[in-house]
Amino acid sequence: SQTIHQWPATLVQPVGSPLSLECTVEGTSNPNLYWYRQAAGRGLQLLFYSVGIGQISSEVPQNLSASRPQDRQFILSSKKLLLSDSGFYLCAWAPGVSNQPQHFGDGTRLSIL
Amino acid sequence: QQQVKQSPQSLIVQKGGISIINCAYENTAFDYFPWYQQFPGKGPALLIAIRPDVSEKKEGRFTISFNKSAKQFSLHIMDSQPGDSATYFCAACENTGKLIFGQGTTLQVKP
Repeated sequence: SQTIHQWPATLVQPVGSPLSLECTVEGTSNPNLYWYRQAAGRGLQLLFYSVGIGQISSEVPQNLSASRPQDRQFILSSKKLLLSDSGFYLCAWAPGVSNQPQHFGDGTRLSIL
Repeated sequence: QQQVKQSPQSLIVQKGGISIINCAYENTAFDYFPWYQQFPGKGPALLIAIRPDVSEKKEGRFTISFNKSAKQFSLHIMDSQPGDSATYFCAACENTGKLIFGQGTTLQVKP
């Protein structure tokens, strides 16, 4: 069966520090991969998605970037964190065919001080 | 531009009652409509989904009703239990595979 892993579960970082969040998927190949941010009590905002290695689409201009160095690895990064980057970051995967459900990891709670 | 509107924002139901959450969409190109359940500190989990060629789908106590002409769909939770207390999100899928989420409904089921 397929599983998705995100780490770390929680992270506290100072303003201006770099960020690297990692997501990996097991049990499938060539998945579509997604990064979302969820503000407290709010819906999910799609940040980036990828349909293959090295292919990244950005949905919202911001202080973050994403990379997909391997088929089942998706990384969210920032060179300098802002206070507004605080939130709950979720990675999701879906089979690489149209109209299939997305499956989410358990997220990273990021707090910027 | 909010393409999927979800209501109510919050809902309180007595144990054994029926919980109903509604969603409306604008883009007629959407062709897949999942519902997700999210507990605090966890990622959303797929609950049930429907395609627009059917008007209803039932899985256990959870039912999706779909009205294609009205561009509306709803989630019904029968015999609601305290363990159903969570945030529920409807979503609509574009042909690119991207999901457009509603803003969520926080459900509290009182014992």
